[in-house]
Amino acid sequence: DTAVSQTPKYLVTQMGNDKSIKCEQNLGHDTMYWYKQDSKKFLKIMFSYNNKELIINETVPNRFSPKSPDKAHLNLHINSLELGDSAVYFCASSWTARTEAFFGQGTRLTVV
Amino acid sequence: GESVGLHLPTLSVQEGDNSIINCAYSNSASDYFIWYKQESGKGPQFIIDIRSNMDKRQGQRVTVLLNKTVKHLSLQIAATQPGDSAVYFCAETNSGGSNYKLTFGKGTLLTVNP
Repeated sequence: DTAVSQTPKYLVTQMGNDKSIKCEQNLGHDTMYWYKQDSKKFLKIMFSYNNKELIINETVPNRFSPKSPDKAHLNLHINSLELGDSAVYFCASSWTARTEAFFGQGTRLTVV
Repeated sequence: GESVGLHLPTLSVQEGDNSIINCAYSNSASDYFIWYKQESGKGPQFIIDIRSNMDKRQGQRVTVLLNKTVKHLSLQIAATQPGDSAVYFCAETNSGGSNYKLTFGKGTLLTVNP
């Protein structure tokens, strides 16, 4: 059973399009995250949710809109995609920020 | 600003040798640290963690050392195997009330030569 699953794994799209990435965790965790990993492998927090509430928004452009319909899901919608949005996006979950986070397999987004 | 960084971006070792990956952090409020391993095409995977009330923690073939005085963290891998080849990240957080995030270092690429 996959603990943190995100779909799709690969996403190729044109500039200006709107796309969504879905994430689900079956670990019963209270906290979920979205991270962005750039071409140099640097991992940066984008959003953090706790019990469906937004806790952290790390100066992410408002073209990115996370949505948490319930504690087990945190989806990421991106409007008006730009070339610079190309990256690998990771969903993760944990009990709190002071316990280990479990990561999904990543979604490689390529904007052309 | 607050940051977590690594001394060495790449490390190449021979199979069977011990590996040491280092990490420096600047936030003195950090009190929980995690090492992650990321294999190609996969998400980061938890290896070992340590809290600030400890200076050493051991797992299976891995040891994490924490030196709070100089804000330094290291991961030691004993008898390194080809399967250990990956990018290794240190991550930190602190016990601030609403600090729901891990801050990651830049990563070290470990290559194990057979």
